[in-house]
Amino acid sequence: GDSVTQTEGLVTLTEGLPVMLNCTYQSTYSPFLFWYVQHLNEAPKLLLKSFTDNKRPEHQGFHATLHKSSSSFHLQKSSAQLSDSALYYCALSENQGGSAKLIFGEGTKLTVSS
Amino acid sequence: EAGVTQSPRYAVLQEGQAVSFWCDPISGHDTLYWYQQPRDQGPQLLVYFRDEAVIDNSQLPSDRFSAVRPKGTNSTLKIQSAKQGDTATYLCASSFPLGVEQYFGPGTRLTVL
Repeated sequence: GDSVTQTEGLVTLTEGLPVMLNCTYQSTYSPFLFWYVQHLNEAPKLLLKSFTDNKRPEHQGFHATLHKSSSSFHLQKSSAQLSDSALYYCALSENQGGSAKLIFGEGTKLTVSS
Repeated sequence: EAGVTQSPRYAVLQEGQAVSFWCDPISGHDTLYWYQQPRDQGPQLLVYFRDEAVIDNSQLPSDRFSAVRPKGTNSTLKIQSAKQGDTATYLCASSFPLGVEQYFGPGTRLTVL
């Protein structure tokens, strides 16, 4: 079945260093990929969504590129900020026949310190 | 525009007790999802509806869990006889017709003692 793998459970960085959170997936179809961010005691919020035309989505300084050849959608940011500390989930949606469920990875906790 | 609303925000039960969670999706969203998020894990789909119809409930423990959306708007998720393993945050999400983006509510944090 479809799955999403996030290899790092915890990433700890110093402010100003680059961020890269890994995400790989397995899917029968050509899915949409998403990054959600979840702050403590809050709901997951959509951060980025893959495009069908290979454009690179960007939001709040974060970007991710869908590489179908390697089934990856890694999240990157050039310079980490303290406010980036949160849980980050990679998820996929097959979107077959309209609305579809999201399959989430296990999540990566990002902690940024000064 | 109001987001997805859920109530209650917190619930604490003894094993064997029943509990209901309520969700009001964003206006105009025809699809509604219920996810279970155990502590330190990603959300896992329990059930989802398009209007009032159940599209997928294959991950819903049918012996104790039930979910309804009778008028295609609000939805209720019920646990008949809670177990300690049900301790988790229950998230509701909704999306536009044919939309791939889901919008999440704040969740209900359930603790079963």
